[in-house]
Amino acid sequence: GAVVSQHPSWVICKSGTSVKIECRSLDFQATTMFWYRQFPKQSLMLMATSNEGSKATYEQGVEKDKFLINHASLTLSTLTVTSAHPEDSSFYICSAMAGTSGDHYNEQFFGPGTRLTVL
Amino acid sequence: KQEVTQIPAALSVPEGENLVLNCSFTDSAIYNLQWFRQDPGKGLTSLLLIQSSQREQTSGRLNASLDKSSGRSTLYIAASQPGDSATYLCAVRPEDFGNEKLTFGTGTRLTIIP
Repeated sequence: GAVVSQHPSWVICKSGTSVKIECRSLDFQATTMFWYRQFPKQSLMLMATSNEGSKATYEQGVEKDKFLINHASLTLSTLTVTSAHPEDSSFYICSAMAGTSGDHYNEQFFGPGTRLTVL
Repeated sequence: KQEVTQIPAALSVPEGENLVLNCSFTDSAIYNLQWFRQDPGKGLTSLLLIQSSQREQTSGRLNASLDKSSGRSTLYIAASQPGDSATYLCAVRPEDFGNEKLTFGTGTRLTIIP
């Protein structure tokens, strides 16, 4: 149990295009999802926190108009990188937190990541 | 602001040896601490989660300890195997109610030499 998927696993796009990344909790309901980015040989940096049905909360320095987050259901959050540029190339990882009681209550489970390359 | 540091940044040991990875955090007001493993180009696999009230957790050849007051945690790996080669990350969650944000450490890249 507690599986999180991401789609796509990798994407290459041209500069100026928009890219959507999906994060799904497959076997549990996630009231909260988190989006991280990771540059090569660096640790994960939290970009934003999204709660189902409400606006995402962005970390300082993260442009909310560039990284659009939608958490429309308890099992799906999407991150859209708008007008992508080469500096947006990175590894994007989502995590989902179970919102109901049980063995995994309040624990974050991570997706496999999405490698974005902007040419 | 919480800062999490992991030492060493990289470690190479021969197969079969026991080893210790270190994690330190500046703010001891944590709810829990978690150790993860990350293979190259992959996501995170949770290894052990220690609640702030606990001193250690064990899973197979892995043992994690927590000294909350001193801001330190260690991950002990017994009888290392080549398959243990990966980057190991620790992360802390603050104790303030409703704050589920994790702060990650800088990671230790472990290489087990066959």
